[in-house]
Amino acid sequence: DVKVTQSSRYLVKRTGEKVFLECVQDMDHENMFWYRQDPGLGLRLIYFSYDVKMKEKGDIPEGYSVSREKKERFSLILESASTNQTSMYLCASSLRGGLFFGEGSRLTVL
Amino acid sequence: GENVEQHPSTLSVQEGDSAVIKCTYSDSASNYFPWYKQELGKRPQLIIDIRSNVGEKKDQRIAVTLNKTAKHFSLHITETQPEDSAVYFCAASIRYSSASKIIFGSGTRLSIRP
Repeated sequence: DVKVTQSSRYLVKRTGEKVFLECVQDMDHENMFWYRQDPGLGLRLIYFSYDVKMKEKGDIPEGYSVSREKKERFSLILESASTNQTSMYLCASSLRGGLFFGEGSRLTVL
Repeated sequence: GENVEQHPSTLSVQEGDSAVIKCTYSDSASNYFPWYKQELGKRPQLIIDIRSNVGEKKDQRIAVTLNKTAKHFSLHITETQPEDSAVYFCAASIRYSSASKIIFGSGTRLSIRP
């Protein structure tokens, strides 16, 4: 079974803090994704990566950056957290097709 | 821009009846259409998918149909059961540079009435 692990299930941060969300997959998948999930808005794509050191913006990249130094790890970075970034963040990986999701990281920014 | 629209946002059906969720997509180059089920407090899980070279796919009580000309696809659940209660998301692949990104609809909350 594919395992996608997100390092933190729950985080509480203050406005202006730098936040790192880590995601690791164990199936040698080329593609990795970061989504945020908000009620009534579905899953919105923030960034994705199709290879080491390669990244592409999704639909809502503003306020976020990503890092993929190793194939198995894809990190989401909030340089200066804001209250409107309070959300559930979901990481996913895929080879060719269906996404396998992590359990999610619920971030609250005060 | 590229988007996926999903209807209805909420759906309530009697146990044993069928449920249908519909989605439309904007990018005519999309060629992969997965459906995900998300139970309360859990991660989304892939339940069925279809590629653009087929028009219909079935897996037990679940089926998906695709109309490429009209750019819409639908999820059909027959003989619904209480465990089918969840939020369902449709999605479509969008070719982008050297990779494909997956764009989701806004979700349908399905409730099964006993």
